[in-house]
Amino acid sequence: DAGVTQSPTHLIKTRGQQVTLRCSPKSGHDTVSWYQQALGQGPQFIFQYYEEEERQRGNFPDRFSGHQFPNYSSELNVNALLLGDSALYLCASSWGTGAGNTIYFGEGSWLTVV
Amino acid sequence: AQSVAQPEDQVNVAEGNPLTVKCTYSVSGNPYLFWYVQYPNRGLQFLLKYITGDNLVKGSYGFEAEFNKSQTSFHLKKPSALVSDSALYFCAVIRNSNYQLIWGAGTKLIIKP
Repeated sequence: DAGVTQSPTHLIKTRGQQVTLRCSPKSGHDTVSWYQQALGQGPQFIFQYYEEEERQRGNFPDRFSGHQFPNYSSELNVNALLLGDSALYLCASSWGTGAGNTIYFGEGSWLTVV
Repeated sequence: AQSVAQPEDQVNVAEGNPLTVKCTYSVSGNPYLFWYVQYPNRGLQFLLKYITGDNLVKGSYGFEAEFNKSQTSFHLKKPSALVSDSALYFCAVIRNSNYQLIWGAGTKLIIKP
């Protein structure tokens, strides 16, 4: 049973570029959330997707956008990259959107913006 | 506003001794509480959660946590620490009508042989 898988694991981009990160949820899960974790800090919620729609969004600018596909996989897109976007981006999945549902995380994608 | 506090940046414990990692929360309504562990350069691993029922929750790797509503706390405990428990521990809370997990800043646990 595969867990949450993310790609790429590491990438380097320059300021102003665009990046796409990908996530496949744990088998049987239909809900995907994205988090940003800066070095030495806790994760910050970006947004959640369920039934191919963005259901909730954290305090992130519109440069951050996402998509969920019919097979429940998801993409996170960040446009006009800033140095401050350098972080570990974590994808998490769960079954349904219930608040008590356990959320499982992938290993993350390390983004460095230079 | 919802918030989670982990008052200790770092906790040092000798191997074999009991450990406690503290967490307090502030949220209106009924909270759902979680503990996750993060090893260096890795993602977050689920340890345990409190939804309702028994205040003492048992989780993975011998960890347990006690929900205390009056003190709004959810401290993580383990009776006997292992060196392999050394990692970063995060407490998180979600209100039962909200999708967003709110995270503490994390506590670095160091277990010394």
